[in-house]
Amino acid sequence: LAKTTQPISMDSYEGQEVNITCSHNNIATNDYITWYQQFPSQGPRFIIQGYKTKVTNEVASLFIPADRKSSTLSLPRVSLSDTAVYYCLVGAFQGSSAGNNRKLIWGLGTSLAVNP
Amino acid sequence: GAGVSQSPRYKVAKRGQDVALRCDPISGHVSLFWYQQALGQGPEFLTYFQNEAQLDKSGLPSDRFFAERPEGSVSTLKIQRTQQEDSAVYLCASSPRGHGDTQYFGPGTRLTVL
Repeated sequence: LAKTTQPISMDSYEGQEVNITCSHNNIATNDYITWYQQFPSQGPRFIIQGYKTKVTNEVASLFIPADRKSSTLSLPRVSLSDTAVYYCLVGAFQGSSAGNNRKLIWGLGTSLAVNP
Repeated sequence: GAGVSQSPRYKVAKRGQDVALRCDPISGHVSLFWYQQALGQGPEFLTYFQNEAQLDKSGLPSDRFFAERPEGSVSTLKIQRTQQEDSAVYLCASSPRGHGDTQYFGPGTRLTVL
């Protein structure tokens, strides 16, 4: 099962761009890379998912190099409300029956503190 | 409902008591997951259902933990003879199809065993 490594904590200031890098050296061919955000006393919330190159949505961008052994979550112009824990996961290919029995492994995540 | 709901939100149990935690997934979602999250840690997988079938229960820490989803919708996680080390937040998530899909999480049930 793929395992991820990411920084335990990061600090930033309002208005800055934040990049959180995740290492996943043992990523499998069928694995997607997914990022979740978790606020205190809440369940994790999906942010973005990608397979290769670059994915962008209304809240973040995800950069994945060609070897897929790492990925970088980019949060543009963070605000105080972006203070949360961010988890990087690798797991089964979306909709693949081969992946239906693989469980996702969540690490400790990256605790991001955005300061005024 | 609009999202995944869990009840109760908070549960205090005396050591040795049995507890039952409920999860109402998003209507129509095929997959349902239970996770345990200790303070300061990431969620740890407990078990996974596809409809009513429990396809993976490898994460259940002991035979005191039991989960069911008899009609393929609502699920219950039962913990028998609770121990202090069972104190954690129990998260439920559902997804439209399988593991690779986006998981939608409930708010969790915080269990405290005294």
